[in-house]
Amino acid sequence: QKEVEQDPGPLSVPEGAIVSLNCTYSNSAFQYFMWYRQYSRKGPELLMYTYSSGNKEDGRFTAQVDKSSKYISLFIRDSQPSDSATYLCAIGSGGTSYGKLTFGQGTILTVHP
Amino acid sequence: EADIYQTPRYLVIGTGKKITLECSQTMGHDKMYWYQQDPGMELHLIHYSYGVNSTEKGDLSSESTVSRIRTEHFPLTLESARPSHTSQYLCASSDGRFSNQPQHFGDGTRLSIL
Repeated sequence: QKEVEQDPGPLSVPEGAIVSLNCTYSNSAFQYFMWYRQYSRKGPELLMYTYSSGNKEDGRFTAQVDKSSKYISLFIRDSQPSDSATYLCAIGSGGTSYGKLTFGQGTILTVHP
Repeated sequence: EADIYQTPRYLVIGTGKKITLECSQTMGHDKMYWYQQDPGMELHLIHYSYGVNSTEKGDLSSESTVSRIRTEHFPLTLESARPSHTSQYLCASSDGRFSNQPQHFGDGTRLSIL
């Protein structure tokens, strides 16, 4: 079983929809949580970073962490065609000195006009 | 905004050639990483470095080697390329002062070995 499981998608939504992207994890030692966005032919770009349970909002993006259920989500409100990309969750354990991250396999999102 | 650069962006080369993928960052980050990413698959860590003269192998076994002679530079070398090395290689860095800082990525090198 993988340490991080991400809903694989792909996901196709109309412009303006609310998008929910989800990951589950199995290791209780995981302490900090990130979402990256990766456009085609580009590297992952950090979208959200949090280390506590609850919600963190940044513009149209909300990251949600539930440590008791080992479940994280990214919500995108009023989705735009420019949001079309692959979204990767990444989870880290603060105990490792080199800052290891474990990534989900990514969800491909397409927002059509 | 992260400033981490990878060259070349694309490389198509024949079997048996020696290849060096370049990665440089201007943020003064101590920690640097190399990942391998295949289509539809998660990123796999192949090498990392705590700082100058420090290199370690990652979770995924790789025939590549790395060096860290300068803080800003973390090149990856394949002595004799094979078709099985075809993949996308991503370089990343993070602030070495804390263990839980996010990693910042370059745009990758897409490598194809014929």
